[in-house]
Amino acid sequence: GQQVMQIPQYQHVQEGEDFTTYCNSSTTLSNIQWYKQRPGGHPVFLIQLVKSGEVKKQKRLTFQFGEAKKNSSLHITATQTTDVGTYFCAAGGSNYKLTFGKGTLLTVNP
Amino acid sequence: DVKVTQSSRYLVKRTGEKVFLECVQDMDHENMFWYRQDPGLGLRLIYFSYDVKMKEKGDIPEGYSVSREKKERFSLILESASTNQTSMYLCASSSRVDDQPQHFGDGTRLSIL
Repeated sequence: GQQVMQIPQYQHVQEGEDFTTYCNSSTTLSNIQWYKQRPGGHPVFLIQLVKSGEVKKQKRLTFQFGEAKKNSSLHITATQTTDVGTYFCAAGGSNYKLTFGKGTLLTVNP
Repeated sequence: DVKVTQSSRYLVKRTGEKVFLECVQDMDHENMFWYRQDPGLGLRLIYFSYDVKMKEKGDIPEGYSVSREKKERFSLILESASTNQTSMYLCASSSRVDDQPQHFGDGTRLSIL
C-alpha cells in the first residue's frame, strides 16, 4: 500500500527558531493534507495541497507540495510555545482513505 | 462545527473481554474511520466505512471488527481483548466529497490488563 515517510521524528527548538518537517513518498500523490495534534489532544486539520508546486501560507506556517507531487514540507517561522505538538502529513488515496506519516513531535523551549 | 464524540475517554478492560468503542458524528458524514495511535507508529487505520452497513479493512484489522447500523454511529469491537491492544483509539469522519479533511474525536485510551 501507499507509504509516506516523515522526518524528523522529533525536533526541539528554542522559541524564535524556525522549524521544518518533511514528508516523502515513492509514488505520486493526488493530494496531501497536514494535521496538528496538541499534547493530549486529537489531530486537527490544517491544510490540503493538491497542485504540483503549490505553496500555501497560514500566518507563520508555510506549506509546500513538490513539483513531482512526491514530497511536501511544513515550515514554521519563528516558533512560539503555542506551536508545540505533533505535525502529521497525510496522503489522500482511494476510497477517501488517508495514509498518515508517523509525525514530527515539536517541542519549543521558551 | 463538526462534532465527533467517542463514548469513553478512558477505559480499562481485562484480557479476553469483548470491548465496544462507540463513535458518533453529527455532520451527516458518509465516511467514518477507526485508527489506533501508538508512540512512534503514528496513526494506523483499523477499519473504515463509507456508507451504512459497509465496511472495509484498513492496515491492521486483525483482532477487530466494526459495525455501522446507522449513518452517524460507527462502533469498533475487540472480539477478545489482548494486552497488545492497549492503545489510544481515534475515530474520525469525513464527507464523501473527494479529499475532504477528516474530523477526529477526542480519542479513547484503552488499557487491557
